[in-house]
Amino acid sequence: AQSVAQPEDQVNVAEGNPLTVKCTYSVSGNPYLFWYVQYPNRGLQFLLKYITGDNLVKGSYGFEAEFNKSQTSFHLKKPSALVSDSALYFCAVNFVFGPGTRLSVLP
Amino acid sequence: EAQVTQNPRYLITVTGKKLTVTCSQNMNHEYMSWYRQDPGLGLRQIYYSMNVEVTDKGDVPEGYKVSRKEKRNFPLILESPSPNQTSLYFCASSLFGIISGETVRGNSPLHFGNGTRLTVT
Repeated sequence: AQSVAQPEDQVNVAEGNPLTVKCTYSVSGNPYLFWYVQYPNRGLQFLLKYITGDNLVKGSYGFEAEFNKSQTSFHLKKPSALVSDSALYFCAVNFVFGPGTRLSVLP
Repeated sequence: EAQVTQNPRYLITVTGKKLTVTCSQNMNHEYMSWYRQDPGLGLRQIYYSMNVEVTDKGDVPEGYKVSRKEKRNFPLILESPSPNQTSLYFCASSLFGIISGETVRGNSPLHFGNGTRLTVT
């Protein structure tokens, strides 16, 4: 069975500060990991993915994520948050999603 | 423009009145899926399809039906809707999916429609 956990319902960060949204997963075999973002009244949009190779992957809008096999984690990061980054973020392994984390970036 | 189109965006209906939510993609994707989104529960998969005429249950299939007669279309059917099916529904597609053991794997991202907000009274 596959599962994804996002331990924080909500993450608050000040604009300009670094942000981290946490994700851990459980899957047999090598994982295909994804991050998606959802803005109000919209479907989910793909941000980045890890399939194989370098543990640090870069994606859209300045986001990056670090794959850690030993900790079965795939945390989303951004060096400097923008107010426009405020949205709902979902981690996924293959086609299975976590519960989502609401990110609020405060001006 | 590459997209997944689902209709309608909003739907209010009454218990027991059959309804269909349509979904169409123009990217020639093999894999398609329906999800429902509920607060605190994230996205839960209802049904998925690996290709034409191949469909399978997801995590929450009860009360739903799907069909995949053509590659581009994947309608979601509620034969007798109930209030607990009030939710936000998303159709999504991906280039392909692979069955590996008991797991469906895919290394190509999902493309989502804009959602259908269904209210059943």
